[in-house]
Amino acid sequence: GNSVTQMEGPVTLSEEAFLTINCTYTATGYPSLFWYVQYPGEGLQLLLKATKADDKGSNKGFEATYRKETTSFHLEKGSVQVSDSAVYFCALRVNTGFQKLVFGTGTRLLVSP
Amino acid sequence: DTGVSQDPRHKITKRGQNVTFRCDPISEHNRLYWYRQTLGQGPEFLTYFQNEAQLEKSRLLSDRFSAERPKGSFSTLEIQRTEQGDSAMYLCASSFQEHTEAFFGQGTRLTVV
Repeated sequence: GNSVTQMEGPVTLSEEAFLTINCTYTATGYPSLFWYVQYPGEGLQLLLKATKADDKGSNKGFEATYRKETTSFHLEKGSVQVSDSAVYFCALRVNTGFQKLVFGTGTRLLVSP
Repeated sequence: DTGVSQDPRHKITKRGQNVTFRCDPISEHNRLYWYRQTLGQGPEFLTYFQNEAQLEKSRLLSDRFSAERPKGSFSTLEIQRTEQGDSAMYLCASSFQEHTEAFFGQGTRLTVV
């Protein structure tokens, strides 16, 4: 079946530290991969995506590269800010023709000043 | 357009009662999705509408759950005879075309006591 595994949190960092949140997946076919972010009290927002192997998604200083050989899509940011504190979800979409997303369990990021 | 709107934001109900949630998608979006998110987990797909047609339902959607989208615009999700295990955040999302980004609402948090 289709599944996403991401590292458990919380991840606690100081401002300006380097961030990595690991994500690996299992899927039939060739999925598209996503990172969503959920700020406190808000809905899920798409952070970045990649639709094929070796694609790099990037947004707001965050990056993730679609690695087919390791079935991974790790999220990275070179210098985190307090405002990045949120829950991050890795997700995949198999090509079913609609947006049926399979999410990981989420990783909470806490950034302190 | 203010995005995907869900109502109510919070609902507390007694076990055995029926509840109904409403989702108003972004106006030009013809695809609508319901997801359920329990504490500490990622969202899980429940059902999908294309216009007024309900095209897929998850096995998570027991007989006590029903979703409608009568005119292809807003949607309702009803849970009959609620159980404590139904306590969760119910998320609605919408998208314009297949393989385009799904936008999520802020969710309805249901607590069954």
